Amino acid sequence: SQQGEEDPQALSIQEGENATMNCSYKTSINNLQWYRQNSGRGLVHLILIRSNEREKHSGRLRVTLDTSKKSSSLLITASRAADTASYFCATDERSNYKLTFGKGTLLTVNP
Amino acid sequence: GAGVSQSPSNKVTEKGKDVELRCDPISGHTALYWYRQSLGQGLEFLIYFQGNSAPDKSGLPSDRFSAERTGGSVSTLTIQRTQQEDSAVYLCASSFGTGYEKLFFGSGTQLSVL
Repeated sequence: SQQGEEDPQALSIQEGENATMNCSYKTSINNLQWYRQNSGRGLVHLILIRSNEREKHSGRLRVTLDTSKKSSSLLITASRAADTASYFCATDERSNYKLTFGKGTLLTVNP
Repeated sequence: GAGVSQSPSNKVTEKGKDVELRCDPISGHTALYWYRQSLGQGLEFLIYFQGNSAPDKSGLPSDRFSAERTGGSVSTLTIQRTQQEDSAVYLCASSFGTGYEKLFFGSGTQLSVL
């Protein structure tokens, strides 16, 4: 079964609005990562947050991690049409570093 | 090359044929992953190589699937007696593999089984 599950499955917003995506996972982790995928091909790494971190920023991205609730959120501020893509969270397992991915959130930013 | 290279980018085969998919990771990366992604779905883990350790094959869906990694570098994913349900994009990724590392993905191989 998937270690991480994203919510919502799809999100449609207007340019300039903020987009929030959530990820829940099941077992203890070393770190959690967020990736972006355009056109159903290769994924691109966005940001990594370690299990002892609670919040991290990178440009217009803000990631939070709540290990007590086994959940993370990705916030994209001031969204642009170019942010339209699928977003995936990936988690490893405490006992090893194998990464497993959720089903993703499809974000559509309308101009 | 600078990135993860996968070949072929597209493969069309007939049901029952064998196929080989190739992944050339970034030089120096010890960890290599294969994932499968069906249309509109998430990434399904297939197999994980880490250095000289025995690979984690726990994601391979059947014994028709196998993978090897020669010399700690290039990897080949082989699917024998292909079935229509094997149609998907097969993605390869690599990393330094020391933990807390991001993955670098190739562009994938789109496999279509007719």
